[in-house]
Amino acid sequence: TQLLEQSPQFLSIQEGENLTVYCNSSSVFSSLQWYRQEPGEGPVLLVTVVTGGEVKKLKRLTFQFGDARKDSSLHITAAQPGDTGLYLCAGAGVTGRRALTFGSGTRLQVQP
Amino acid sequence: NAGVTQTPKFRVLKTGQSMTLLCAQDMNHEYMYWYRQDPGMGLRLIHYSVGEGTTAKGEVPDGYNVSRLKKQNFLLGLESAAPSQTSVYFCASSYAPGWAYEQYFGPGTRLTVT
Repeated sequence: TQLLEQSPQFLSIQEGENLTVYCNSSSVFSSLQWYRQEPGEGPVLLVTVVTGGEVKKLKRLTFQFGDARKDSSLHITAAQPGDTGLYLCAGAGVTGRRALTFGSGTRLQVQP
Repeated sequence: NAGVTQTPKFRVLKTGQSMTLLCAQDMNHEYMYWYRQDPGMGLRLIHYSVGEGTTAKGEVPDGYNVSRLKKQNFLLGLESAAPSQTSVYFCASSYAPGWAYEQYFGPGTRLTVT
């Protein structure tokens, strides 16, 4: 059973479209991180959100942490082929766990 | 500054063989982690270390052992490989606990057990 559920699992869109990826849990997290992973490489951190309701923007990417700190979303505006990759959310601070808990990922393909 | 490096990049083993994966980091990080990544499963924590000479079990530790004799190195061992251990293995490190600081990942080791 995954503590963190990501949806959708796969997403294929055209360049210029907008999209939202969701990360949901029944557990409360002290913080949540989003990583992007490209084929053949390890994940790279995009952002960390800590406060319930927090919104962070990174160019065309907007990240939001739910008020109850149980969920998060990633919104991409005007997607580009360079956004293609696997997006992973990772939650921290689950009782009894001293490391991050990763979601199963959303694989995004942006067609030119 | 190489960051996190992993050796080897690819390996094929027969069932029952043993091997050691090496992870090295040059960022003077205290925390190091070993994950496995399987399709549709995201990253699952195998073992981790909070400092030189320490190790702890993660979510899926069975069939693996680890050692952290030097601060910069974290070794993952498979004593008797099984086909279920076919996966991509990632090492990561962080300055402090993963929930407070960024985890830096290596490029991965693709292991196939036949």
